[in-house]
Amino acid sequence: TQLLEQSPQFLSIQEGENLTVYCNSSSVFSSLQWYRQEPGEGPVLLVTVVTGGEVKKLKRLTFQFGDARKDSSLHITAAQPGDTGLYLCAPGANYGQNFVFGPGTRLSVLP
Amino acid sequence: SAVISQKPSRDICQRGTSLTIQCQVDSQVTMMFWYRQQPGQSLTLIATANQGSEATYESGFVIDKFPISRPNLTFSTLTVSNMSPEDSSIYLCSVTWGYAGYTFGSGTRLTVV
Repeated sequence: TQLLEQSPQFLSIQEGENLTVYCNSSSVFSSLQWYRQEPGEGPVLLVTVVTGGEVKKLKRLTFQFGDARKDSSLHITAAQPGDTGLYLCAPGANYGQNFVFGPGTRLSVLP
Repeated sequence: SAVISQKPSRDICQRGTSLTIQCQVDSQVTMMFWYRQQPGQSLTLIATANQGSEATYESGFVIDKFPISRPNLTFSTLTVSNMSPEDSSIYLCSVTWGYAGYTFGSGTRLTVV
């Protein structure tokens, strides 16, 4: 059983569309992080959410941490081809000794 | 956050040979991590490397196959030994800064032929 589940696994949309991807777990986290990985690069941290119910915005990206701190969502408004990549969630790096990542959502935004 | 230099960026190797991947961090860090990313997949933790102690390997990974060195607080190497085509993957090193998250090297794309 994976610590984290992400959905959808794959998503292909047209430029300008909105989308939401999800990260779910049965465990409670003190914090949760989202990363984006572009081809040929390592993952890059987008945001850390810490408080249950917290909403953080990063330009067109909106991140929400569930009230119970077991799940999170990432919403992208008016997606652009530059948003293409693999989106990964992970418990905050101080979560016990579980340095693990979710299975990821592979997003493709077509021009 | 740190800056990590990882090399080589890619290599094509013959089966049965070994490849050593190097990661240099621009600041001192206690823990370094090595991940494998198979084509189209997420990251799988291979091992955690602390300076001055043996690396801690995750289930399915063994020291004979993936020996790790951590000679100081800014450097680590991962060797992929006796390679087979199944070892073809991207290998990534990373460090963590707690709430600041993980910083990754740019990865080593290994192809075994």
